[in-house]
Amino acid sequence: EAGVAQSPRYKIIEKRQSVAFWCNPISGHATLYWYQQILGQGPKLLIQFQNNGVVDDSQLPKDRFSAERLKGVDSTLKIQPAKLEDSAVYLCASSLQHSFSGNTIYFGEGSWLTVV
Amino acid sequence: SQQGEEDPQALSIQEGENATMNCSYKTSINNLQWYRQNSGRGLVHLILIRSNEREKHSGRLRVTLDTSKKSSSLLITASRAADTASYFCATGYSSASKIIFGSGTRLSIRP
Repeated sequence: EAGVAQSPRYKIIEKRQSVAFWCNPISGHATLYWYQQILGQGPKLLIQFQNNGVVDDSQLPKDRFSAERLKGVDSTLKIQPAKLEDSAVYLCASSLQHSFSGNTIYFGEGSWLTVV
Repeated sequence: SQQGEEDPQALSIQEGENATMNCSYKTSINNLQWYRQNSGRGLVHLILIRSNEREKHSGRLRVTLDTSKKSSSLLITASRAADTASYFCATGYSSASKIIFGSGTRLSIRP
């Protein structure tokens, strides 16, 4: 079974530039997550989709971050304009259904962003 | 904050010894999960324990849950070099329809 695919793995951009990350979840998984993980910290949920609808985006900085999950399958996360504090690993993950009910979350390898 | 907090933040033990990590949380949960993250990689699910369970085992892993104390522990027995990683607890809240990760315990196994 293929895992969660993410690209690019690494990206270096200058502040105020834009960047986009792509994620393809495990086939059949209805729930898709984007997490931000700053070095030395735990993952912080940015946005959670159920199929193509948003379940939670309370911690997404909406003035600069946007995400979409067209057709309820793959997803993109965009940052525009980037700030230095956006340097982090962006983890995409998926689960069959909502994680809070006990479904295992499967993570991709992450997209490492450095903003200089 | 609803998130779980792991303790200790870092742990270094000799290969073959047992490693114990703790997670405390503040509000009632549906379930608690433990994940492992090797350096530079994504997180991998280890074990889930539901709020009506007290103990679960999986291979060398043993997880306990004490809902009265709002805490959980992860025990890794007979540690190996490959166990070197960060370990995170994630608490599931039906009221928030999501799970929240703690800040993790960094485990180092000395040969």
